[in-house]
Amino acid sequence: DQQVKQNSPSLSVQEGRISILNCDYTNSMFDYFLWYKKYPAEGPTFLISISSIKDKNEDGRFTVFLNKSAKHLSLHIVPSQPGDSAVYFCAAGIAGNQFYFGTGTSLTVIP
Amino acid sequence: NAGVMQNPRHLVRRRGQEARLRCSPMKGHSHVYWYRQLPEEGLKFMVYLQKENIIDESGMPKERFSAEFPKEGPSILRIQQVVRGDSAAYFCASSPITDQETQYFGPGTRLLVL
Repeated sequence: DQQVKQNSPSLSVQEGRISILNCDYTNSMFDYFLWYKKYPAEGPTFLISISSIKDKNEDGRFTVFLNKSAKHLSLHIVPSQPGDSAVYFCAAGIAGNQFYFGTGTSLTVIP
Repeated sequence: NAGVMQNPRHLVRRRGQEARLRCSPMKGHSHVYWYRQLPEEGLKFMVYLQKENIIDESGMPKERFSAEFPKEGPSILRIQQVVRGDSAAYFCASSPITDQETQYFGPGTRLLVL
């Protein structure tokens, strides 16, 4: 029972263009959402988060959008850089409780 | 400020042996989480602990797995009588009490059961 889904296992984007990574969740009670980035043989690194009271949060080149009615969030990276190539995990949950992770999207930014 | 430390980074065990995975949270962090990542899968929550307390162990298999976070020392994830299906990457994360939602991950322990 996958409560958080990332339906695109991989994505390739040209350097300088926008990368859009998508994530869907099933539980309408979830009120906190995070994106993590993971390089091979390393642990995930926190990127950006958003709570359900907001629909957008921006941090430099990274913006997370939340559509509560659609139970959908997305991560936009613009402009994309080769160093952004990694696996991106979204996570969702109820604040103070366990978080559920998606299966990840492998992003490749082509120079 | 050192990040989350996990050791060993790689662990090889034969079926039936015990595996002990250690996690030292970031300084000042009082919450520890353990996750398992099977090949080609995402991170699966296992257990959430505070010092000397298990808060949520709903993701832990009912048998052979246990976790602790003692008052002193690292958190330990213990797998008894390992089987081949236990082969996975085990990640530990920690968070401060002031921001429990933001978890900082360690590099993981890769367990291989022969």
